[in-house]
Formats: sequence, C-alpha cells, structure tokens
Amino acid sequence: DAGVTQSPTHLIKTRGQQVTLRCSPKSGHDTVSWYQQALGQGPQFIFQYYEEEERQRGNFPDRFSGHQFPNYSSELNVNALLLGDSALYLCASSVSGTKYEQYFGPGTRLTVT
Amino acid sequence: AQKITQTQPGMFVQEKEAVTLDCTYDTSDQSYGLFWYKQPSSGEMIFLIYQGSYDEQNATEGRYSLNFQKARKSANLVISASQLGDSAMYFCAMREGPYGNNRLAFGKGNQVVVIP
Repeated sequence: DAGVTQSPTHLIKTRGQQVTLRCSPKSGHDTVSWYQQALGQGPQFIFQYYEEEERQRGNFPDRFSGHQFPNYSSELNVNALLLGDSALYLCASSVSGTKYEQYFGPGTRLTVT
Repeated sequence: AQKITQTQPGMFVQEKEAVTLDCTYDTSDQSYGLFWYKQPSSGEMIFLIYQGSYDEQNATEGRYSLNFQKARKSANLVISASQLGDSAMYFCAMREGPYGNNRLAFGKGNQVVVIP
C-alpha cells in the first residue's frame, strides 16, 4: 500500500517564475492538505482540498492556488515566486470526517533564487 | 496568537533513557485533537500518537505516551527507552474542532539527539 507521494523531490526556480507541485494521497484517502515548512519552523497550513474543492485556507496570498482531481490527487501552484517561498512543501492526506491522523508525504524542497 | 508552544531547546538524551517533550496549546474549542509527529532529517513527517480532547485515558503507542493534562492545556510526549533512531525533530500539533476539520496547527518543534 503506497503512502503519500510527492513530486518532484527538489526544485530550483527563479524569482518571478511559477511552480507546480504534485501529490498523490494514500489509498482510500479523500482529503489533501498542503503545508509550507520554512527552515527551522513548524509546518504552516496552506489549504485543504476535498471533493475537488478548496475547503479551508490558511493565511497565504492568492499566489498560492491548488487543484484536486477526481482521483483525489492534488497540485499546488505558486505564481510570481518570491525568495521567501523557499521552503519544504508537505502534502498530507486523510479521510474526511474521521479522527484519523494525517499521513504526510516526503515533501518537495523548493529553492527560489 | 500561537496555538502550540514548544519552547525547549535542543536536547541530548542518553540511549535507553526516557525523554519528555513539552507542549502547551491554546484553544477555546471543547472538541480538539492533539498529535505528535517525528521529522527525521529526511523531511517526512511521521505520525507518532494522537489524543482526543474527550479521551479520558492518556494515549500510548509502543514506546510513546502522551501525558495529557487538559486543565493545564498541556500534551507532553514521553519517549521511553530512547534509541539512536529517535534522533529527530518532534512536532506537537493540534486539530481544532470536530473530526471534519483536518487542519493542523504545528508548534516550532523540539530537536532531540540520542547519544550512545
């Protein structure tokens, strides 16, 4: 049973560019959440997708957008990259309406130069 | 306002000894959940233990136990019989509201280094 997978593993972009990160949830999970983890900090909630819609959003600008596909996989898009967007981006999947823990993927390390 | 507070500096622990990691939280909700995750240098967040706000018993998962003191709003993690593989960052997190809300708020983490 594959866990949460994310691609790519590492990414280097230039300021002002756009980036797309991808996530496949754990089998049987229908909810995908995205978190940003800056160096030396805990993860910060970006947004959550359920039934192909954004269900919740954290305190992140509109430059951060996402999508969920019918197979529950998800994308995180960041436009007009800033140096401060450099971070580890974690995807987590869970089953909506249960107390089950969120399972996290290995993350995508984004470096903006 | 910070919802999860983890203030301990990095810790060195002797192998086979127990270690306690402190976590305090702030919420006005009656229904919430508390989690501990381990993050090794590889970056992946690994779930360790969960405590629901209505759970009367402290949660235990193998060598991990959660010392839940609701009135003090603390949820300390105890790792017994530390192993070298326990060296990692440890994050306390909280889910506010009922199960339908899976949004987590994380603390800044505790660094643990286990020495032989």
